[in-house]
Amino acid sequence: AQTVTQSQPEMSVQEAETVTLSCTYDTSENNYYLFWYKQPPSRQMILVIRQEAYKQQNATENRFSVNFQKAAKSFSLKISDSQLGDTAMYFCALRRGQGAQKLVFGQGTRLTINP
Amino acid sequence: DVKVTQSSRYLVKRTGEKVFLECVQDMDHENMFWYRQDPGLGLRLIYFSYDVKMKEKGDIPEGYSVSREKKERFSLILESASTNQTSMYLCASTGGENTGELFFGEGSRLTVL
Repeated sequence: AQTVTQSQPEMSVQEAETVTLSCTYDTSENNYYLFWYKQPPSRQMILVIRQEAYKQQNATENRFSVNFQKAAKSFSLKISDSQLGDTAMYFCALRRGQGAQKLVFGQGTRLTINP
Repeated sequence: DVKVTQSSRYLVKRTGEKVFLECVQDMDHENMFWYRQDPGLGLRLIYFSYDVKMKEKGDIPEGYSVSREKKERFSLILESASTNQTSMYLCASTGGENTGELFFGEGSRLTVL
């Protein structure tokens, strides 16, 4: 069975600070994909960043980057120069490799960016 | 842009009522999903469909059924709503590519009294 665990229910930082959201996962697969999704208040969930397990290089999308530690099964999200618009629920998710489309989600972390 | 539209943002129903939640996507995606979102539990998969008239149970299918008569439409049905089905319901879709990005609707918040 695949599981995803986010141990930080809530986090709060000041605008322009850097914040790291934690995620650990468990899977017996060797080929899989990891995702971070963002759900702003009363708005649709959107993809922030994705990581293929076979790639050693950490994914980066502008101010968002991940620290992917495959052996430790850890996949944290770093948000640099945080902005008020980053306030949202963030979900870590895991998907098996080719041919599988289902995602398993973590519990979510509510992130608040304070002015 | 991909658009996933859920028919109702907010619904209030009574125990025992039959409830239909509709979802339509406009990107010709093969795969569609219904998730339930609860605080502290994240998103849990109820059912998914990988083709018209095809469906598979997710992790929490009890008390729910689904229908996919057309590729663009995926309906979630609560045959007899109960108070423990009060929740946020999210529909999502994705194509068959390995990128695996899910496109979500805005969600339907259901309250069962």
